[in-house]
Amino acid sequence: GAGVSQSPSNKVTEKGKDVELRCDPISGHTALYWYRQSLGQGLEFLIYFQGNSAPDKSGLPSDRFSAERTGGSVSTLTIQRTQQEDSAVYLCASSLDEDTQYFGPGTRLTVL
Amino acid sequence: AQSVTQPDIHITVSEGASLELRCNYSYGATPYLFWYVQSPGQGLQLLLKYFSGDTLVQGIKGFEAEFKRSQSSFNLRKPSVHWSDAAEYFCAVGARAGNNRKLIWGLGTSLAVNP
Repeated sequence: GAGVSQSPSNKVTEKGKDVELRCDPISGHTALYWYRQSLGQGLEFLIYFQGNSAPDKSGLPSDRFSAERTGGSVSTLTIQRTQQEDSAVYLCASSLDEDTQYFGPGTRLTVL
Repeated sequence: AQSVTQPDIHITVSEGASLELRCNYSYGATPYLFWYVQSPGQGLQLLLKYFSGDTLVQGIKGFEAEFKRSQSSFNLRKPSVHWSDAAEYFCAVGARAGNNRKLIWGLGTSLAVNP
């Protein structure tokens, strides 16, 4: 079956612009995660959606970052007023209850 | 506090040599344990996982890992490394119960393979 997909694969934007990153999880997966990976760094947790529960937003670095998950499926991560330090690869993962996370290929964001 | 430590930031081995990547965790309960691999420019791929049962688990690409509760470790091993194994390796732990299934991630170990 289809895996996790993310779009766009690459995004170049100017400082101060807003960007939206999309994640399509594996069909039927109840949990969805967003991570950020800066060059040469590990995974930085951003936000986690589980079913109909309130999302765990504890990893969002500032109020410029937000995410939503519509209909328990597709998710959009929005970064407002982008800054150069937001440049990174943004990874999405989804899972069923057994916790194995399946990752998408990521969106590489470059803020000029 | 819950944490995952991968003590080796970077490891270089020769092709054909054996490999062991270390992972130590601090967790309040018996965790789920994972190893993921990230090849250059690629997403993360699950290598193997431990949920319960046999503490020696087999994964893809000839990798295995052993859960040692007494040492709070989940080290990844491979008897003979191939050049294609050069990648970044991440260890992660998660809760067995409860509603929040967020994983705790190590910072990764970068593996280089010499011909």
